[in-house]
Amino acid sequence: QVQLQESGPGLVKPSGTLSLTCAVSGASMGTENWWTWVRQAPGKGLEWIGEIFHSGTTNFNPSLEGRMTMSLDRSKGRFSLTLTSVTAADTAVYFCARARTRYDSGALDYWGPGALVTVS
Amino acid sequence: QSALTQPPSASGSPGQSVTISCTGTSSDIGTYNYVSWFQHHPGKAPKLIIFEVNQRPSGVSHRFSGDKSGNTASLTVSGLQAEDEADYYCLSYEGTINVFGTGTRLTVL
Repeated sequence: QVQLQESGPGLVKPSGTLSLTCAVSGASMGTENWWTWVRQAPGKGLEWIGEIFHSGTTNFNPSLEGRMTMSLDRSKGRFSLTLTSVTAADTAVYFCARARTRYDSGALDYWGPGALVTVS
Repeated sequence: QSALTQPPSASGSPGQSVTISCTGTSSDIGTYNYVSWFQHHPGKAPKLIIFEVNQRPSGVSHRFSGDKSGNTASLTVSGLQAEDEADYYCLSYEGTINVFGTGTRLTVL
C-alpha cells in the first residue's frame, strides 16, 4: 500500500523559508510518476503548487515560481518543497500526493494526511 | 493561470442525482482530456474519484460519473447518500501545469 507523510516545522516567521518533506513508502520513486504538492489556506479551496518527476523535472504554479524549489531523493524515498520569503498568505495545510501515471499528472491517487504550516 | 469556475454550492435529497459543473477555457478543459475530480471531507486528504474526464479509479462507486463538453467538465453523483456530503474539486491540465477549480460544497438534504 502506497503511503505518503508530510513533515516539517509547523510555524515559520514572516520573510522566512518554509521547508517540507514528503516521505513515500510502498512505492518506488524510480518509476514514472509525478510527485505533487497541493495546499489549502484556511477557509479557501485547494491550490496546485507544483510537481516533480522522477527525473527531477519540475513544474510550478506561476504565482509561486521564483520562490519555490522542489527536490527528490529516490534513494531515501522522499521529495521536498522549499518556499522562500513567506507571508501570512502562505499559511495553509500542505498536502503531498502522487500522480497515477506520467501522462496525467493531475490524477493524484495517493495523498498524505496534510501538514499545517502557519506563518507568524 | 486562473482557477476553474465551479458553483459554490449544490444540494440534493437522498436518492437524487446532482451534477456539478467545472468551467475552464480552450487552454485547459477545452483542449485536454486530463480532467480529474476529487472528493474532500474537511480535515482529511482529498480522494480521487474521476480521472481523464470519465474514468473511475478502482474502488470508487459507480454512482460517480464524469463528462466533458467544450470548455466545461461535469461530475454527476447519482443516488445521493449522506456520506457524499463533502467538497468537490475539479482539476485540469493546462499544458505544463495543473489548475484546480474553485470547489463546490455538496449538501445532502
